[in-house]
Amino acid sequence: AQKITQTQPGMFVQEKEAVTLDCTYDTSDPSYGLFWYKQPSSGEMIFLIYQGSYDQQNATEGRYSLNFQKARKSANLVISASQLGDSAMYFCAMREGRNAGKSTFGDGTTLTVKP
Amino acid sequence: GAVVSQHPSRVICKSGTSVKIECRSLDFQATTMFWYRQFPKKSLMLMATSNEGSKATYEQGVEKDKFLINHASLTLSTLTVTSAHPEDSSFYICSASPAGVETQYFGPGTRLLVL
Repeated sequence: AQKITQTQPGMFVQEKEAVTLDCTYDTSDPSYGLFWYKQPSSGEMIFLIYQGSYDQQNATEGRYSLNFQKARKSANLVISASQLGDSAMYFCAMREGRNAGKSTFGDGTTLTVKP
Repeated sequence: GAVVSQHPSRVICKSGTSVKIECRSLDFQATTMFWYRQFPKKSLMLMATSNEGSKATYEQGVEKDKFLINHASLTLSTLTVTSAHPEDSSFYICSASPAGVETQYFGPGTRLLVL
């Protein structure tokens, strides 16, 4: 069985500063994928970044980067230069097998960006 | 990018009635779609995998007779909540992935309120 743990129910960050959202995972499958999604108050799930278990380099997408530490089974999301629009719920998810849709989600972290 | 739509975005119904939710992939074909349920400020829970032309695969604990899934074409999956009760009130989200793409794309979700 796989499991995703997000230990931070809520986080605050000052506008323009960087913030790290924690995610640890547990799986016995050597092939897996890790995802981060943003969910604003509207409810839509927005894909942010993806890291494959065999990827050698940490994934980056604009202001988002994923700090992948395979030995520690952690996949933290780093948001640089926070903006007010970054205030939302953030979910870490792990793919089972090769099917992106069959994913397990963490409990989420609510990020609030302060002006 | 890949776009997934859902209809309706919000529905209120009386207890005992059935409600149909549609999920469409607008710019790609999807042999597989996924249905999730989310309670307020909680994580996403995978309910079932919708397979085009065949029966859906339900996760443990999800009543297949309660949540009927039909995937009649490569761009449309429907979830019907039969004989809805107040405890079925929730946010339902579908997702799909284009072939060869690692990530999944989510629809905007449907908020169901059963009175």
